[in-house]
Amino acid sequence: KAGVTQTPRYLIKTRGQQVTLSCSPISGHRSVSWYQQTPGQGLQFLFEYFSETQRNKGNFPGRFSGRQFSNSRSEMNVSTLELGDSALYLCASSLRGVETQYFGPGTRLLVL
Amino acid sequence: AQTVTQSQPEMSVQEAETVTLSCTYDTSENNYYLFWYKQPPSRQMILVIRQEAYKQQNATENRFSVNFQKAAKSFSLKISDSQLGDTAMYFCAFMKGTNSGNTPLVFGKGTRLSVIA
Repeated sequence: KAGVTQTPRYLIKTRGQQVTLSCSPISGHRSVSWYQQTPGQGLQFLFEYFSETQRNKGNFPGRFSGRQFSNSRSEMNVSTLELGDSALYLCASSLRGVETQYFGPGTRLLVL
Repeated sequence: AQTVTQSQPEMSVQEAETVTLSCTYDTSENNYYLFWYKQPPSRQMILVIRQEAYKQQNATENRFSVNFQKAAKSFSLKISDSQLGDTAMYFCAFMKGTNSGNTPLVFGKGTRLSVIA
C-alpha cells in the first residue's frame, strides 16, 4: 500500500498570505490528523477529520482550518500567515482514528 | 491532561552497541497506548514500536524492544546492535484508548540519538 502523501513538500510565503496544504491518507484510512512541529513547541495537535467531519481540535487560533473530502483526502488552510506559523506540518492517517497513526513526509512552511 | 517526558535531549552510542532511551508519562487513564516514533533527518515520522497498556508483555520489533512499567508510568526503548541508520530523533508518544472518536497523540520533546561508527 502507498503511504501517506503530502503536497507540497516545501512552501515559502510572506506574512499576511494564506496557504493550503494537502494530505492523502493510506488507502482505506478514514481518519486524518494534522500536527504542527516547531523547535520551540515540539509536536502539537491541530485537528482530526473523520468521514468529512472535524471530530477533535487542538488549541490553535481560528486562522487554522481544515476539511476532508469524500475520498478521505484532507486539506489544511492557514489564513493571514504570521512568522510564527513557520513549521513542519505533519499529516497522519489511521483507520478510524483510534489506532496507530501513520505519518506523511510533512510540508515545510517558511513564512517571511 | 496527559504529559510525556523524555529526560535525555541527546544521546550517542557506538555502532553495534545497545542504547536505552527513557520516557515517562503522566495519566489517570487506564486504557491507553504508547508509541515510539523515529524521525530521521528526512523529517519523515516513522513508527518504531507500539505498546498497549493492558498487555503485560513488553513489545518487541526486531532490534527494538520496550520496557513498559505501568505502575511507574515508564516506557523505555532499547535499541540493540545499533546501526548508523538508527541515527534520528526519537519521540515517545501517548494516546488514550477509546472505542470511538479520536484521541490525538501527545508527544515528548524527543531524544536525539547519534550512532557513531
